[in-house]
Amino acid sequence: EVQVVESGGGLVQPGGSLRLSCAASGFTLTDNYINWVRQAPGKGPEWVSVIYTTGTTYYADSLRDRFTISRDKSKNTVFLQMNRLRVEDTAVYYCARGVNRAFDTWGQGALVTVSS
Amino acid sequence: QSALTQPPSAAGSPGQSVTISCTGASSDFGDKKYVSWYQQYPGKAPKLMIYEVNKRPSGVPDRFSGSKSDNTASLTVSGLQAEDEADYYCSSYTGNDFWVFGGGTKLTVL
Repeated sequence: EVQVVESGGGLVQPGGSLRLSCAASGFTLTDNYINWVRQAPGKGPEWVSVIYTTGTTYYADSLRDRFTISRDKSKNTVFLQMNRLRVEDTAVYYCARGVNRAFDTWGQGALVTVSS
Repeated sequence: QSALTQPPSAAGSPGQSVTISCTGASSDFGDKKYVSWYQQYPGKAPKLMIYEVNKRPSGVPDRFSGSKSDNTASLTVSGLQAEDEADYYCSSYTGNDFWVFGGGTKLTVL
């Protein structure tokens, strides 16, 4: 069964850091690319970042200076390192497998709350 | 890129058809064929319903269909059922290794 599972969410103070993990099963990171998509309370989803099968990475313009996507192929896991977090980064963060330029498999999400 | 524009709400009675629009700039639609639609229930993750404008993943009922004309994509739900009541989001790959989403449409089955 194709599945992705996020972990690492939590409460962090403004200016702090957090690292999210996305464990993939049923497929490998060398065959499919992985995206991070976030959704603030009551809002539509917002694309955050992608890591392609080659390891090439891209980010939303507003986040590239603070967020870093990476992967550990041996663990079939993708990470999202988030630094200098702001209150407006509060959201549920989903990892989603990319296929045909769409997101076909989503995790349950990891809630990130940035608050003092 | 700004978000794609969707109507905040749509409604229909059981058995009827409802169409949800998704409008953006030409730059939002890049290669023009990478529009997708997602269904989301409260507290749940989005689910892919349509990809590449009008293709349905395995398991998605054929009551769901997609189309696109110029800078407006549309999702049509035919033969509305109670379980179709959810939020629906469109998304487009812009062609520059960047995706945009719509603000969402809440579909109510009357």
